[in-house]
Amino acid sequence: DQQVKQNSPSLSVQEGRISILNCDYTNSMFDYFLWYKKYPAEGPTFLISISSIKDKNEDGRFTVFLNKSAKHLSLHIVPSQPGDSAVYFCAASSITTDKLIFGTGTRLQVFP
Amino acid sequence: EPEVTQTPSHQVTQMGQEVILRCVPISNHLYFYWYRQILGQKVEFLVSFYNNEISEKSEIFDDQFSVERPDGSNFTLKIRSTKLEDSAMYFCASSEVASSGNTIYFGEGSWLTVV
Repeated sequence: DQQVKQNSPSLSVQEGRISILNCDYTNSMFDYFLWYKKYPAEGPTFLISISSIKDKNEDGRFTVFLNKSAKHLSLHIVPSQPGDSAVYFCAASSITTDKLIFGTGTRLQVFP
Repeated sequence: EPEVTQTPSHQVTQMGQEVILRCVPISNHLYFYWYRQILGQKVEFLVSFYNNEISEKSEIFDDQFSVERPDGSNFTLKIRSTKLEDSAMYFCASSEVASSGNTIYFGEGSWLTVV
């Protein structure tokens, strides 16, 4: 089931710079997208979401962009901080199902 | 901030044994879920539960699995006869309303090791 893909397994960014995490999806029925942050041996923590009727949603340092025609979304973190170092998962849902479909995750490392 | 709590945090069990994982969802939430993550793999949906019955389940959720809300606060996942491949982190989650268009909040996870 590759409906949600995160093609970059890892990303390394210097503190203070922008981190851009990407996610692609194949199912055009998806209408709600979420980003979760996860530390090892902990549960996913909700970060930010976006509905398919929008193309941008911003919350503090986090902004999610949605390009429906390209079936692509991205998470921008600016400025990046060392505490942002974690695995980031994008997830998608549709009105036809209860479940979230997760991507494989991108490990972000923010170094000083 | 309200949170989903899970117990135990880690359980080691012998193959063939029954396991019950427990969860206390966020109190005003109506939808409950179990997900799992096998080491190195993606987080996968197992089952959703609403109004005291299963509303959706994945192909992973076979007859060995069951869920129950035995009282007003707990939500449990039972694995009747564990297999080695059941070793994973199991996440309970809840949401106020159905997942589409709404945020699902996850617990810290229960790490199950089947030996």
